[in-house]
Amino acid sequence: DTGVSQNPRHKITKRGQNVTFRCDPISEHNRLYWYRQTLGQGPEFLTYFQNEAQLEKSRLLSDRFSAERPKGSFSTLEIQRTEQGDSAMYLCASSLLGKERDRGLSGNTIYFGEGSWLTVV
Amino acid sequence: AQKITQTQPGMFVQEKEAVTLDCTYDTSDPSYGLFWYKQPSSGEMIFLIYQGSYDQQNATEGRYSLNFQKARKSANLVISASQLGDSAMYFCALAGGYQKVTFGTGTKLQVIP
Repeated sequence: DTGVSQNPRHKITKRGQNVTFRCDPISEHNRLYWYRQTLGQGPEFLTYFQNEAQLEKSRLLSDRFSAERPKGSFSTLEIQRTEQGDSAMYLCASSLLGKERDRGLSGNTIYFGEGSWLTVV
Repeated sequence: AQKITQTQPGMFVQEKEAVTLDCTYDTSDPSYGLFWYKQPSSGEMIFLIYQGSYDQQNATEGRYSLNFQKARKSANLVISASQLGDSAMYFCALAGGYQKVTFGTGTKLQVIP
């Protein structure tokens, strides 16, 4: 399967524990995104990377959240000292940002993984 | 700032009929893209169709077409010949010049046999 892969798919953890999610983007995609989605809501932007550089972080991303993409390939999202409000699905997505002449974004489709469900009890 | 608005929380459509899901947007980027995604109950986000702001023609992908009206800032999704498997949440999304993607709140579509 050559799509975006996320692990683990489901995680149940006790409040106060740390959890880490991994995302493997589509090969050679230079953009990688993390989103959070709660029941009945649309995905909310958390952060995104261009290669290994983290370009933007949402205000939703408190100090307990950290994301890395050390070699510009896979990424990890760590949540420290989890709280019940962190329970959500964490979605990873990737895309291939084209060259300057392609700024019309034509074909720069953003593909999502299947998500990682987090339940904090 | 980017904003996506989906005003229909839920829609019903008879099987084999066509349905239009509404989406309006706002952005200050001169170049942007609009996406529609389908999210079944399993949770995966499935890409359906893409429209670039400079594309002259409306995008089509099989039974999906995007009715893009740039002056009105609308990008409605039309699904023709609805099937039972089309029942899902549908999200409209906007990607600005730096491809930060903003999602709407979604429309839950239910196809009735």
